Parts: sequence; C-alpha cells; structure tokens
Amino acid sequence: DGGITQSPKYLFRKEGQNVTLSCEQNLNHDAMYWYRQDPGQGLRLIYYSQIVNDFQKGDIAEGYSVSREKKESFPLTVTSAQKNPTAFYLCASSLQPGSPLHFGNGTRLTVT
Amino acid sequence: AQSVSQHNHHVILSEAASLELGCNYSYGGTVNLFWYVQYPGQHLQLLLKYFSGDPLVKGIKGFEAEFIKSKFSFNLRKPSVQWSDTAEYFCAVTTTSGSRLTFGEGTQLTVNP
Repeated sequence: DGGITQSPKYLFRKEGQNVTLSCEQNLNHDAMYWYRQDPGQGLRLIYYSQIVNDFQKGDIAEGYSVSREKKESFPLTVTSAQKNPTAFYLCASSLQPGSPLHFGNGTRLTVT
Repeated sequence: AQSVSQHNHHVILSEAASLELGCNYSYGGTVNLFWYVQYPGQHLQLLLKYFSGDPLVKGIKGFEAEFIKSKFSFNLRKPSVQWSDTAEYFCAVTTTSGSRLTFGEGTQLTVNP
C-alpha cells in the first residue's frame, strides 16, 4: 500500500539536544511538507519541498532544518534553537504543488 | 500571504442535527480550497476540495461545501450529522500557483448520540 510513514510515533528528548524526525513516502509525490499541530492553532507550515534538492521555509521555520536528498525522504531536525519544540509533527506529500495533501500519522515530540 | 479563519472552535450537536462550519480566507487572487478531517486516533484526510467550476462541491460521507467568492468563504455543511462525524475539521487554502497550504485553527465537532 502506498503511503507516508513517520517514525517514531512518540519521541522524548532532553532540552538542548537536536532530534531528527523521519518521513518517508512511496507515493512518488514531488512535493513534501512538514507541519506542526498545536491545540487551537491548527497546522502551521514549517518547511516544504517541491522537488528533490530544493526546499523553502514555511511560516515557522526558526529552530528547524530539513533536507531533501531523495524524492522519498524529507527528514526534519528540531534543533536546540527551537524555543518550544514539544508538539505534534505532521509530514505530508502531494503529487505536485497545489494538489491535495496526503498525511502521515504524525510524531509526538516531548522535550523536557 | 493567505490566511484562514474558522469561526467556531468547538461545536456540539445531537445526532440528526444540521451542521455548518464557517471558514473565511483572505487572499485577493485565485485559490484552491480544501476541508480536511481528523477522526480520533487517525491521520488527517481530505474531505472535499474546490479548484474551479461549480461552487457547490460534494465530498465524502455526505459533506458539502459552498465557495462564495464575494464573501471569501468556504463553509462546510451536512444536513444530518451522525455520532461517527465526531472529529476535528480543518479548512485550508492555497493559491493556484503556489504550494503553501495554509490551514485554519480547526473546529472540534462533538456529536452526541
């Protein structure tokens, strides 16, 4: 079955540590996205990539970094510079920019 | 940049009641509009979308939405809700030329049996 896989489902880290969230898709989609979901704030765009080896900052990119070395993979690193990293992180992909998104099941990150 | 506002953050209905969830966006150009739904414990999934043509679009599970360009609105409706419609609903917009999908704050719908 085609889809988006995010791992792990739950992640715990100590403050000051960088952590990388995995996102893999086998839908052959060009575009991939990272969103952060917080209660009452909806989904906010962190980074997106329209094509391999290219990515753009979203609305809340500070403290995050990404790479897109392969079409299938779009890992997100939450750095120690992110002031409030505890959140639910959602990865998504679309066939092309502007198409409907397909979402993964998310990773809940807790930083203490 | 575009923005999206959902007026009701928590709606509570009884089964068989009619539903209308408000969504307004701000952007002066041509847009693509979406409603996504997140059932408890499940991933976000597309409910319906509007790209062009008939402004009344029908989605899955009896949902529909009407695009009113003059009001910058894309309200979601269902004539008779069921307990299984309990979920969080998100309105989203993107420009036709861009790939930045902007989401509203979400509306938590609770349907009591």
